[in-house]
Amino acid sequence: KAGVTQTPRYLIKTRGQQVTLSCSPISGHRSVSWYQQTPGQGLQFLFEYFSETQRNKGNFPGRFSGRQFSNSRSEMNVSTLELGDSALYLCATSLGQSNNSPLHFGNGTRLTVT
Amino acid sequence: AQSVTQPDIHITVSEGASLELRCNYSYGATPYLFWYVQSPGQGLQLLLKYFSGDTLVQGIKGFEAEFKRSQSSFNLRKPSVHWSDAAEYFCAVGAGGSYIPTFGRGTSLIVHP
Repeated sequence: KAGVTQTPRYLIKTRGQQVTLSCSPISGHRSVSWYQQTPGQGLQFLFEYFSETQRNKGNFPGRFSGRQFSNSRSEMNVSTLELGDSALYLCATSLGQSNNSPLHFGNGTRLTVT
Repeated sequence: AQSVTQPDIHITVSEGASLELRCNYSYGATPYLFWYVQSPGQGLQLLLKYFSGDTLVQGIKGFEAEFKRSQSSFNLRKPSVHWSDAAEYFCAVGAGGSYIPTFGRGTSLIVHP
């Protein structure tokens, strides 16, 4: 079974630009969550999609958005990039039907904003 | 709401020594508990999980964890650490109705030869 695939692996953008990151889940997984990881703040939850609907949302500004397609693939978008958005963005997928569904993580997209 | 505390930011051990990483949680009932490991440049990988039953659970790579309800703890152990175990370790608790686990801040394990 293929794992969680995130593309691209690395991205360099300048302030003010926007960026779109992609996540393909494990087959059968309907929940896709996005996390931002930085050395100072650790792992921070952005949002979760389940069956094309945003089911949970973290405490991030509206510049961060996402969506999920009918095949469960998900994208997240960050508009008007700031230097502080430089981070490793991780996607995690699961069956999403209970609290005991372990998360399966991709290897992340490393975003650098200059 | 649930919370997770990993009191140690960094832990340094010698190769071959035993290891214990601490995790304390706060939740009114018995939660679902997880340990994940993150190697440099990688995503997180599930090491083990506890849902119910035997309080000592075995995981991959020779790790085990013990759930202690009285102490609200779920500490991760390994009897003999290998250099390849150097990584970041995250404890997480799944509880409530959100289906989103709460992660601790992580413990960075450094292994000396």
